[in-house]
Amino acid sequence: ETGVTQSPTHLIKTRGQQVTLRCSSQSGHNTVSWYQQALGQGPQFIFQYYREEENGRGNFPPRFSGLQFPNYSSELNVNALELDDSALYLCASSPDLREQYFGPGTRLTVT
Amino acid sequence: GNSVTQMEGPVTLSEEAFLTINCTYTATGYPSLFWYVQYPGEGLQLLLKATKADDKGSNKGFEATYRKETTSFHLEKGSVQVSDSAVYFCALSFQGGSEKLVFGKGTKLTVNP
Repeated sequence: ETGVTQSPTHLIKTRGQQVTLRCSSQSGHNTVSWYQQALGQGPQFIFQYYREEENGRGNFPPRFSGLQFPNYSSELNVNALELDDSALYLCASSPDLREQYFGPGTRLTVT
Repeated sequence: GNSVTQMEGPVTLSEEAFLTINCTYTATGYPSLFWYVQYPGEGLQLLLKATKADDKGSNKGFEATYRKETTSFHLEKGSVQVSDSAVYFCALSFQGGSEKLVFGKGTKLTVNP
């Protein structure tokens, strides 16, 4: 059984640019959640997708957006990057009413 | 709102020492509770969970009991190993854990040989 995978592993962008991060959910999981983990902090919930629909959003501005595809993979898009967007971005998937399993994360650095 | 408060580290122990990491929560309703572990440079791994009061979650020698009366979910291990060195996160969620996770700030554990 393949676990949650994320790409790319690392990314360096310049302030003002746009970035797309990708996540493949674990087989059989129909829910994908995205979290931002700043250095030395706990992960913060960005949003969740369930069967291709947004199913909850945390306290992040609209320049953070996402998609979920029919195969339940997902993308996180961030526009107009700011220095404070530098963080580890974690994707997690889960089946109905069960716990979440995390991918290895994408380390984004904004310069 | 819902929140998790956990003991801030860092915590440094010698191998075979007893470990306790405290975690308390505030929630409307009855959440599921989790401990996740993050090894250096990696994502989060689910360590253990409990879905209702008085449940005990256990895995790899770690244990935690869901205490509704004290709103706590303290992590314990009787004898730590060097390989347990990591950051530990306490978290809560609803709907069995499929809803958004609310995390504590994490506790870094270092175990010395």
